[in-house]
Amino acid sequence: NAGVTQTPKFQVLKTGQSMTLQCAQDMNHEYMSWYRQDPGMGLRLIHYSVGAGITDQGEVPNGYNVSRSTTEDFPLRLLSAAPSQTSVYFCASSYSGLVTYNEQFFGPGTRLTVL
Amino acid sequence: KNEVEQSPQNLTAQEGEFITINCSYSVGISALHWLQQHPGGGIVSLFMLSSGKKKHGRLIATINIQEKHSSLHITASHPRDSAVYICAARYGGSQGNLIFGKGTKLSVKP
Repeated sequence: NAGVTQTPKFQVLKTGQSMTLQCAQDMNHEYMSWYRQDPGMGLRLIHYSVGAGITDQGEVPNGYNVSRSTTEDFPLRLLSAAPSQTSVYFCASSYSGLVTYNEQFFGPGTRLTVL
Repeated sequence: KNEVEQSPQNLTAQEGEFITINCSYSVGISALHWLQQHPGGGIVSLFMLSSGKKKHGRLIATINIQEKHSSLHITASHPRDSAVYICAARYGGSQGNLIFGKGTKLSVKP
C-alpha cells in the first residue's frame, strides 16, 4: 500500500492564481480531510469528507473547495490564491463507521507559497 | 470552544533522560491522539486512547478522564526521538473531527 499520497510536494503561486492539491489513499478509508499547518498554530481542519459524494467544512474553509467523487481521491482547490494561504497542507484519512478509534494516516504534505 | 493545550512548548533533554509531555483538553472527548512530526515534516500516529494507558516500545501514553489530562512519556530518550509531538482530541463521538494542540518540540542531545 502506498498509504496517503499528496502532489505536489512544493508549489509557488502568484496571488490570484488557482490550483488543485491532489490527495489519494489506497486503504479504502471513508474519512478524508485536509489540514493546514502554520507556524505557532496547531493543525487546522479545512474541509473533510465522510464518504464519496459527501463533504463538509472544517474550521478554516474560506478560499478552498473540495469534492469527493471517488473513495480514493480528495482534491483541494484554491480558487484565487492569496498570501494568507501560504502554509503547509496535509491530507489525512481514516476508517469511519463502526470503528470507534480512528487512527489518522497523514500524507507527506504540500508546502505552498503564495507571492 | 473546544481547545487542546500542550506543555511544554519546547523541551531539551540529554540522551537517556525520562521525558514527559502534557496535554489538557475540554470535556466530552471520545479519543485522544498522540502524533509525531519528524523534522522532515511527516506526521505519524503514535497512540489513540480513551482511557488508561498504552505502551509501545519506549513510549507510554496515559489519560486521566476526570482531570481531562493526558501525558506522553519517553523512557531512555535518544537523539532520534527529536521531533514535534502533537496531541489531538476527538470531540463529537467517533465521527467527530480532531482539534490539535500546537505541539511540543523535543530535542534530545547526545
